[in-house]
Amino acid sequence: DAGITQSPRHKVTETGTPVTLRCHQTENHRYMYWYRQDPGHGLRLIHYSYGVKDTDKGEVSDGYSVSRSKTEDFLLTLESATSSQTSVYFCAISGGTSGTPLKFFGPGTRLTVL
Amino acid sequence: SQKIEQNSEALNIQEGKTATLTCNYTNYSPAYLQWYRQDPGRGPVFLLLIRENEKEKRKERLKVTFDTTLKQSLFHITASQPADSATYLCALDMHYGGSQGNLIFGKGTKLSVKP
Repeated sequence: DAGITQSPRHKVTETGTPVTLRCHQTENHRYMYWYRQDPGHGLRLIHYSYGVKDTDKGEVSDGYSVSRSKTEDFLLTLESATSSQTSVYFCAISGGTSGTPLKFFGPGTRLTVL
Repeated sequence: SQKIEQNSEALNIQEGKTATLTCNYTNYSPAYLQWYRQDPGRGPVFLLLIRENEKEKRKERLKVTFDTTLKQSLFHITASQPADSATYLCALDMHYGGSQGNLIFGKGTKLSVKP
């Protein structure tokens, strides 16, 4: 997990509250991604960023927004958390060239929405 | 839409044997296919990448094959050890020509190696 951290690591919140998860990298990689992982599903892409202020939607983006004001930070916001957003969230970073593996995944954030 | 299947949720083998995990996909062949390992409570860790025009790739006790005709990749761990016990994820990179490197992940196969 060297080079990429996520905060918080665990969070319990209530339905309807806003939540922000942070991903921080020290690798200076161009691309950053947010995935969620749920039982019975593979990792699913929520949003990704291909540069500062450049973001795009992934497969399961509804209910989520992102921001990237600096190369090293990528924030995921749940504007109004719902129980269906209970999940483990992983941030990942990539050097960007197609085929370059997602070299680093963060340790994950376990979010519970009550 | 592209679908990816890892046809075993769980695989149990004896130490010293070769573990073979399967990854199948539908529709278009990916530019690249990747394999990751994930331990409980941790993020996935990259293991191997194989390109569309490659048939086989090796790294120590690991071997990956890629058959675009069968739309299948096989992941082998030879001389398996209990420390190889983990969930293994297959992932497709559908982007050609340099792009975001987005991946489509399978659900994973949980490998258990018994002493």
